Amino acid sequence: QVRLVESGGGLVKTGGSLRLSCAASGFTFSDYYMSWIRQAPGKGLEWISFISSSGNTIYYADSVEGRFTVSRDNAQNSLYLQMNSLRPEDAAVYYCARGGGGNDYWGQGTLVTVSS
Amino acid sequence: IQLTQSPSSLSASVGDRVTITCRASQGISNYLAWYQQKPGKAPKLLIYAASTLQSGVPSRFSGSGSGTDFTLTISSLQPEDLAAYYCQQLNSYPYTFGQGTKLEI
Repeated sequence: QVRLVESGGGLVKTGGSLRLSCAASGFTFSDYYMSWIRQAPGKGLEWISFISSSGNTIYYADSVEGRFTVSRDNAQNSLYLQMNSLRPEDAAVYYCARGGGGNDYWGQGTLVTVSS
Repeated sequence: IQLTQSPSSLSASVGDRVTITCRASQGISNYLAWYQQKPGKAPKLLIYAASTLQSGVPSRFSGSGSGTDFTLTISSLQPEDLAAYYCQQLNSYPYTFGQGTKLEI
């Protein structure tokens, strides 16, 4: 069965960095686009990044452009999100999801907390 | 592209017909998806291409619309439908979400 498992979240100070990982299994990872979506506590969903199956095409939300970098390792069936210059407003649960949109499978999420 | 959902919250009874609307700030053809998010859980895809039911989703859920105006309908509300519902446009990046509709039973 399809499984997506995020890791790497935690507590970080404003201006700090974190690297999130998403381990995929149960499908041919290299065939699929992937996305990162986040949800601040008590708030709605915010799409933040897309990466094509090969990794050649990438998009970001304006709110993270220049600070976050998405990448993937198809040999390791893994998706990554490098987050730099973190701000209090980046605090959220971060989900990886299969697909570029109309995401049919989601991980359970990993919580990022940013303290000032 | 901005998406505006209405209402923001809704209280309904078991068996009711419930409709949630999503309006896009510009035309998006049928490039719209609907998700359900139960408390403490990841979102679940319900509908894509505005009206295509995702595999395994109960048939009481349906979607319609094209261009700028879309609806999600639950034909007969069930207790397990307690959740927040989100639309997402897939016409152009960034793939924005609506602000959500919280459904209370």
